[in-house]
Amino acid sequence: ETGVTQTPRHLVMGMTNKKSLKCEQHLGHNAMYWYKQSAKKPLELMFVYNFKEQTENNSVPSRFSPECPNSSHLFLHLHTLQPEDSALYLCASSQDPSPRGANVLTFGAGSRLTVL
Amino acid sequence: DAKTTQPPSMDCAEGRAANLPCNHSTISGNEYVYWYRQIHSQGPQYIIHGLKNNETNEMASLIITEDRKSSTLILPHATLRDTAVYYCIVRVNDKIIFGKGTRLHILP
Repeated sequence: ETGVTQTPRHLVMGMTNKKSLKCEQHLGHNAMYWYKQSAKKPLELMFVYNFKEQTENNSVPSRFSPECPNSSHLFLHLHTLQPEDSALYLCASSQDPSPRGANVLTFGAGSRLTVL
Repeated sequence: DAKTTQPPSMDCAEGRAANLPCNHSTISGNEYVYWYRQIHSQGPQYIIHGLKNNETNEMASLIITEDRKSSTLILPHATLRDTAVYYCIVRVNDKIIFGKGTRLHILP
């Protein structure tokens, strides 16, 4: 248990479904992140939130919709996904995302998504 | 794209020290070097980070060259549980960008 909890751990959905991934951090961090890891590919940064404000959207398709109601919770809403969106979705949090300081990320265990 | 270059894979005998190299020749003076590892299908795990001086913690040591253009992560006594992909990271435009990393195989 790293202090970052992701649910569900596994999700299977059809292309017309709407589902959500949830992330919660118990570390008192200020920033939260979504990464995507497709099979045999490096992690891809999707979104960054700093003090609940979105500071990064890495050209992610609109079928992925993030939500950050507070500094401890982060959601990724999914709708009309494609089979190529099947991947491991990883949430992370950090204390200090400022460029001057060290920024150590703590990751959750991930949510394994399969789109049929 | 990541600002680091790592060998795609390495082998190390169990019980020996594993030395994982990383090149980051474009690193600027105030950027940290971070190391993470990812065991199969789990979330990445933070190992260590450094700026200029060598660093050591309970998991590993980090040796950074004087010109800061490269670094080496040292696992002093590798075990089978250290089999993982190891990522060396320097922030890109303030973002933590992962490259392909080094797949470390610990041989019994």
